Amino acid sequence: GAVVSQHPSRVICKSGTSVKIECRSLDFQATTMFWYRQFPKQSLMLMATSNEGSKATYEQGVEKDKFLINHASLTLSTLTVTSAHPEDSSFYICSAGTGDLNQPQHFGDGTRLSIL
Amino acid sequence: DQQVKQNSPSLSVQEGRISILNCDYTNSMFDYFLWYKKYPAEGPTFLISISSIKDKNEDGRFTVFLNKSAKHLSLHIVPSQPGDSAVYFCAASGRGGSNYKLTFGKGTLLTVNP
Repeated sequence: GAVVSQHPSRVICKSGTSVKIECRSLDFQATTMFWYRQFPKQSLMLMATSNEGSKATYEQGVEKDKFLINHASLTLSTLTVTSAHPEDSSFYICSAGTGDLNQPQHFGDGTRLSIL
Repeated sequence: DQQVKQNSPSLSVQEGRISILNCDYTNSMFDYFLWYKKYPAEGPTFLISISSIKDKNEDGRFTVFLNKSAKHLSLHIVPSQPGDSAVYFCAASGRGGSNYKLTFGKGTLLTVNP
């Protein structure tokens, strides 16, 4: 089945640091990738949608200068949390779609980000 | 404003019995619904989906029912097994296919007791 790899799985860093999270589709080409954030006991909240070769579309309330998304190839999207602060601590998870109408999105295993 | 609601944060069921997980939605533009299962420290895994043109979809032990007029769907697992213990997320989309954004509920933690 379709596999999505997300790296790193856990990051602990100091406030003010920028953190990059990678999302790779390992055995398929992902025309669209999604980035979600999940706070404890809450639902996965969509942050942005990225299409290969074009600018990401951000959801309302998500700062695009804070959360930089790059989708430079059909198998890789990156999310960079710039100048991270403790309130950015969360579980970030990506998903990828093939564009096939009969296929669901496939998710990575997520990244637990902790800002001290 | 929660457009997809899973009102039961947890459910406990005996092995071999039926598990019924419920989901309600408010946005009438949703056209496609999915259930994902999530174990701790892993990403959600797709279970089953249903298009709004159907009212039932079955895949092995898993059946999803959709009641469009009530804006309600449910996931039935029968018979339930201890390995089914996980958090189950209901999700909805305006269109089918993997290129459209999903709106998730908060999840229901299912515990299947041996």
